[in-house]
Amino acid sequence: EVQLQQSGAELGKPGTSVKLSCKVSGYNIRSTYMHWVNQRPGKGLEWIGRIDPANGNTIYAEKFKSKATLTADTSSNTAYMQLSQLKSDDTAIYFCAMRLPLAYWGQGTLVTVSS
Amino acid sequence: DIVLTQSPTTMAASPGEKVTLTCRASSSVSYMNWYQQKPGASPKLWIYGTSKLASGVPNRFSGSGSGTSYSLIISSMETEDIATYYCQQCCSTLTFGSGTKLEIK
Repeated sequence: EVQLQQSGAELGKPGTSVKLSCKVSGYNIRSTYMHWVNQRPGKGLEWIGRIDPANGNTIYAEKFKSKATLTADTSSNTAYMQLSQLKSDDTAIYFCAMRLPLAYWGQGTLVTVSS
Repeated sequence: DIVLTQSPTTMAASPGEKVTLTCRASSSVSYMNWYQQKPGASPKLWIYGTSKLASGVPNRFSGSGSGTSYSLIISSMETEDIATYYCQQCCSTLTFGSGTKLEIK
């Protein structure tokens, strides 16, 4: 059974960074792209970007190019996303997902930005 | 970038009613995927490749469309279908529609 287990909720101060993780079991992440999607409170889904864990190649949505950094560790079958220069507008649930179409999703990580 | 516009934003349907949700793309796309999301839960793949049902999806659901216009259809609304539905196009970059919230009347 494929499972994506995301790290726990984060509380970050404005101007700082947080790093989220997404550990995959039941599937080798070298064989797929790992995607990240966010959902602001009461809003819709927004694609952030994706990484090819086999070679580290990344593609970002334009608005997240200076906000998010995607990495992956194939030895631990885990994908990561770092969010930098946090602002209140970054408060959201962040999901990892894989395969296209996005057949497998993590449970989401709530990031709250507050001083 | 391709923009996906879903309509209506919110709709209420009676049990047994036929429901049609629409997704329009700003440029032609090859196919459309749909996701169902219930409050407090992660999205679930619901329909892919325009018309293929994901595993476990009831056959009262169907998908159709081409070019810039796509639809998700429920032949007979049930209470368990209450959710928000998002369309999504790909592929080097992905885009989601803004969602249609489906309620029971």
